[in-house]
Amino acid sequence: AQSVTQLGSHVSVSEGALVLLRCNYSSSVPPYLFWYVQYPNQGLQLLLKYTSAATLVKGINGFEAEFKKSETSFHLTKPSAHMSDAAEYFCAVNTGGFKTIFGAGTRLFVKA
Amino acid sequence: DVKVTQSSRYLVKRTGEKVFLECVQDMDHENMFWYRQDPGLGLRLIYFSYDVKMKEKGDIPEGYSVSREKKERFSLILESASTNQTSMYLCASSHRDRGITDTQYFGPGTRLTVL
Repeated sequence: AQSVTQLGSHVSVSEGALVLLRCNYSSSVPPYLFWYVQYPNQGLQLLLKYTSAATLVKGINGFEAEFKKSETSFHLTKPSAHMSDAAEYFCAVNTGGFKTIFGAGTRLFVKA
Repeated sequence: DVKVTQSSRYLVKRTGEKVFLECVQDMDHENMFWYRQDPGLGLRLIYFSYDVKMKEKGDIPEGYSVSREKKERFSLILESASTNQTSMYLCASSHRDRGITDTQYFGPGTRLTVL
């Protein structure tokens, strides 16, 4: 069965610091992997996705994620945090079919 | 731009009432989904539809039903609302890529409170 684990329900960084949000998945087949972001009072929107092409995926707003099959990880990074990055981030996996499994989410706080 | 709209942003209902949540997408997507979002639990799939009049149960379908009479519209129905259905409800739509649900596009959500 598919599952997604996001380490840390809350992450706090200073403005300008590295952002690292961790995601591990369990899957026996090559997955589609997604990171979505949810700003306050809004629905989710796609940040980036991996679909078996390049393992380093670049997304919007300077975010990127690296698919590491050996570690079953898909961590999200951004070199320099901005106040506008404060939001909730969801990792998600689909290994075939209709259902996408979402992690519990990580809320990112950015301190001035 | 893909647009997914939901009929209400906020809704307050009484226990036992029948509740309708409507979702409309304008991108001719085959798939549509209803999720509920609760703190610490992420998104949990209630129902999805892969074609008009076709529906499949998700992980938590109890107490809910759905209707898809037109491709662009997917309705979620709470037959008899209960307080444990107080939650944020998110609708999404997606294209299907080689049989796999691709990027989902979400509506803004409906925050439902059942008193």
